[in-house]
Amino acid sequence: EVQLLESGGDLVQPGGSLRLSCAASGFTFSSDAMTWVRQAPGKGLEWVSSISYNGDHTHYADSVRGRFTVSRDNSKNTLFLQMSSLRAEDTAVYFCAKKVSDSGAYYFFDYWGQGTLVTVSS
Amino acid sequence: EVVMTQSPGTLSVSPGERATLSCRASQSVSTNLAWYQQKPGQAPRLLIYGTSTRATAIPARFSGSGSGTEFTLTITSLQSEDFAVYYCQQYNEWPITIGQGTRLEIK
Repeated sequence: EVQLLESGGDLVQPGGSLRLSCAASGFTFSSDAMTWVRQAPGKGLEWVSSISYNGDHTHYADSVRGRFTVSRDNSKNTLFLQMSSLRAEDTAVYFCAKKVSDSGAYYFFDYWGQGTLVTVSS
Repeated sequence: EVVMTQSPGTLSVSPGERATLSCRASQSVSTNLAWYQQKPGQAPRLLIYGTSTRATAIPARFSGSGSGTEFTLTITSLQSEDFAVYYCQQYNEWPITIGQGTRLEIK
C-alpha cells in the first residue's frame, strides 16, 4: 500500500524558514517523480514544486521560486521542501504527491499524503 | 503560464441526476488534462487523466471529454459520495496549473 506522510509543518514568523518532509512507502520511491501542492485555508489547490525521480530536474511555481527548494533522499525514501523567507501568503496545508509511474514526461498525481499545516504569522 | 478557469463555481444537483463541470485553458493544453476530487479534510483523489482516461478504481459514471482549451467532466447518476470539490489540472507545460475548483453540492 502506497503511503505518503508529511511532517514539519509549524507556526513560523514572517521571514523565517521551515523544512517539510514526506516519508514514502509502499512503492519504489527512487523510480517516481514527486511534487508538492499547497492549499491555503478555504482556498483551492496550488502547485508548488516538482522533482524528477533522481532529483536532476526541479520545477517551481513563480510564487516560491528563489525561496523554496525541493530535494529528495532516495536512500531514505524521503522528499523535502526547504522553505525560506516565508510570507503570510505561504500559510497553507502542504501536500506531497506521487507522479503516476507510467506517465512519461507528464506530471499528474495518483497518491497524496494528508498534508501538513504551515502557518506564517507573527 | 496557462490559466485554468473552471465553471460554475458552485453546481447544485440532485442525487441521481447528471452533473456537467467545465474547465477552460487560456491556451491549448492538447489532451494533457487531469481531474481531481477533494472532500473536506481529505487529500485530492485522481479521477481522470489524459482528458478521458479514468484512474484506477474510479467508477464508470465519471467521464471526461474535450481537447485544446475546452474540457468537461461529467458525472452521471450522482451518488451521495460524489458531492465534493472538483479541480482540473493541466500538465502540458510548466508551470503546472490548477483550476480554482467547482463545488458540487446537493440540491
